[in-house]
Amino acid sequence: SAVISQKPSRDICQRGTSLTIQCQVDSQVTMMFWYRQQPGQSLTLIATANQGSEATYESGFVIDKFPISRPNLTFSTLTVSNLSPEDSSIYLCSVRLRQGTYEQYFGPGTRLTVT
Amino acid sequence: GENVEQHPSTLSVQEGDSAVIKCTYSDSASNYFPWYKQELGKRPQLIIDIRSNVGEKKDQRIAVTLNKTAKHFSLHITETQPEDSAVYFCAGKGGNQFYFGTGTSLTVIP
Repeated sequence: SAVISQKPSRDICQRGTSLTIQCQVDSQVTMMFWYRQQPGQSLTLIATANQGSEATYESGFVIDKFPISRPNLTFSTLTVSNLSPEDSSIYLCSVRLRQGTYEQYFGPGTRLTVT
Repeated sequence: GENVEQHPSTLSVQEGDSAVIKCTYSDSASNYFPWYKQELGKRPQLIIDIRSNVGEKKDQRIAVTLNKTAKHFSLHITETQPEDSAVYFCAGKGGNQFYFGTGTSLTVIP
C-alpha cells in the first residue's frame, strides 16, 4: 500500500470562510478521490481528482463549492468554500495505486467543524 | 448508477460467535466488491475484497461470498474477538467509482 497523509487533521472555521485540505501520497497513484463522511454516516464521493485537468464531480457537488486541484500524481487539494454549519463533516482523500487494480485506500481524514 | 444496500445496520454477537453482514447491489455490470472496517475516529481500512469472477475468498477469520445471480455478497467473520468491534462498509464498483453501503455497527461482547 502507500502512505497517505492529510493536512490539517482537524479545523474549526467560521461561517462564510473557506478551508483547503491537502492530500499527499508517498508514491505516484493512478486515481485520487475526495469523499465526505457526515457523523455516523456512510462515505459519499464528492469528486474524482484528475491530474492536470478539471475534477469530475458527483451529482449534488459543484466546482464553485468544492474546487479541487491535482497538479501531479502524488498530491491533491480540496477546498470547501463559503462554509456553513452543514459542511461540518469528515473529508477523506482516497487513492488507487496502480492501473488495472481496484484496491482503494483512504487517508486519515480531516474533521471540519463550522461555527 | 449502482445502488448498494447493507443489512443489518447494527449487530451484536458474543465473543467467539460468527457474524454475517449482507449487501445487495443493483448494477449487474459491477465487478469488484470491497469491504472496509472503520474503527471509531479512524480511517476506513480495506479488509477483504472479491472480484466478480470468484465466488468466495477467505483470509484467516474473514471471508466474503458473492452470488452474482442474486446480486448479493456477504462478509463472514468467524471466532469474533472484541477488536472486531467496528463499523463495516461494503461497496460495489459501478463504472470507475465505488458506491458504499450504509454501514453495519458490529459489537462483540466479551
